[in-house]
Amino acid sequence: AQSVTQLGSHVSVSEGALVLLRCNYSSSVPPYLFWYVQYPNQGLQLLLKYTTGATLVKGINGFEAEFKKSETSFHLTKPSAHMSDAAEYFCAVSNQGGKLIFGQGTELSVKP
Amino acid sequence: GAGVSQSPSNKVTEKGKDVELRCDPISGHTALYWYRQSLGQGLEFLIYFQGNSAPDKSGLPSDRFSAERTGGSVSTLTIQRTQQEDSAVYLCASSLLANSYNEQFFGPGTRLTVL
Repeated sequence: AQSVTQLGSHVSVSEGALVLLRCNYSSSVPPYLFWYVQYPNQGLQLLLKYTTGATLVKGINGFEAEFKKSETSFHLTKPSAHMSDAAEYFCAVSNQGGKLIFGQGTELSVKP
Repeated sequence: GAGVSQSPSNKVTEKGKDVELRCDPISGHTALYWYRQSLGQGLEFLIYFQGNSAPDKSGLPSDRFSAERTGGSVSTLTIQRTQQEDSAVYLCASSLLANSYNEQFFGPGTRLTVL
C-alpha cells in the first residue's frame, strides 16, 4: 500500500529565509508525487509534480522539489520565504486511477 | 476559464437528515473525484468517476454515502442519515483523464456541519 508522511505539522520561518517542508513516501511501484497548497477557505492548488525524468522539479511561486528514490523523499523547498507563502501544504502520491493519497499536511507560517 | 465549482459552500444539518452536495467539474474533464477533509482524518479519497465507467467507490466510509454523475458532467454526493462524524469539508476535483499523472483541479469545497 502507498502512504505519505509529512514531518512537522507546523513550520515557522522568517520572511526571506529558506523554506523546507519534508515529505517521505512508501510505494511498491514507481511513484507519481505531488505537492499541493491550500490557502484559507480555498481548495487545493497544484504547486508541482514528479512523474518521470528529471528528479528536480520546479513549480509555481518559486517552489521546487527533488525526488530521491534512495531516501524515498520528495521534500519541498523555496530559497526565500514570502509572507504570501503562509498556507497549508500537502504532499501526495497518486494511486491507480489517479486517486491521491495525501500526507497529513504542514502549516507554514511566515514571520515578518 | 471556469474552474470546479461546488454548492452549497456551507451546509448545516441535524443528525439523521440526508444531505446532497453538488460538484460542477471543468468542462471537458472526464474524471471527477470526491475527497473529504477533516481534522481527525486529514484528506481522504472517497470516490471517482471516469467517463461512463463504473465508479471506484473504494473510499466511501459507509453505505450511507453514495454519489452519482449525470451525463458525464455534474456529480452529486449524498449522505443519508448524517452523523456528527460526517462533519468535514467535502472537496471535489476534476482532471482530463483518470490516470496517475494528470493534475487534479480542486473546487473550494462544501463545509458540512452536523449538529
